[in-house]
Amino acid sequence: DTEVTQTPKHLVMGMTNKKSLKCEQHMGHRAMYWYKQKAKKPPELMFVYSYEKLSINESVPSRFSPECPNSSLLNLHLHALQPEDSALYLCASSQVKQANTEAFFGQGTRLTVV
Amino acid sequence: QKEVEQNSGPLSVPEGAIASLNCTYSDRGSQSFFWYRQYSGKSPELIMFIYSNGDKEDGRFTAQLNKASQYVSLLIRDSQPSDSATYLCAVNILTGGGNKLTFGTGTQLKVEL
Repeated sequence: DTEVTQTPKHLVMGMTNKKSLKCEQHMGHRAMYWYKQKAKKPPELMFVYSYEKLSINESVPSRFSPECPNSSLLNLHLHALQPEDSALYLCASSQVKQANTEAFFGQGTRLTVV
Repeated sequence: QKEVEQNSGPLSVPEGAIASLNCTYSDRGSQSFFWYRQYSGKSPELIMFIYSNGDKEDGRFTAQLNKASQYVSLLIRDSQPSDSATYLCAVNILTGGGNKLTFGTGTQLKVEL
């Protein structure tokens, strides 16, 4: 099973709303990632969790707040977003701290901020 | 200089031909290399990975890596219309914080009937 499941698939939110994106994997991976992808651009790394601890934050604005409650789950809490935050948000997982490890992506959440 | 560079295309090949996709990277510390396929509106799908210099074959796909030249490529034999997609080259560097996967801008491949 190489499945990473993300919910919801689509999300429309206002700039004053609070919402959360969820990601789940059961491959025993202890590294989980959030990426952001704008149209016709490559995915950009936002956060990395290793062993449920935040290990990389790519200078992401505080209106994005990640959380890793256990080894299978990863959340991204959203608050006071801007229209330019509209994008495809991708979760991925891999083995932790091994250079030769594949990262598997979920299907993404298409976020629209209005 | 971008960390991972790809020709954005589109690269058009006739059905049944070989498609050749190229990627260069700047960080000599890069340790592993991946090719992802992404259909419009969908998430990236891993199709090949390579860690060592040389060729790696999987079905119709062959990945080639030359670390001295900082170059990685993907060959798709017997191209099919279903191969039409954007192909993303990704380079992994193991840092103190974990794996950092950096993507190129992708090459759009069009396989024509």
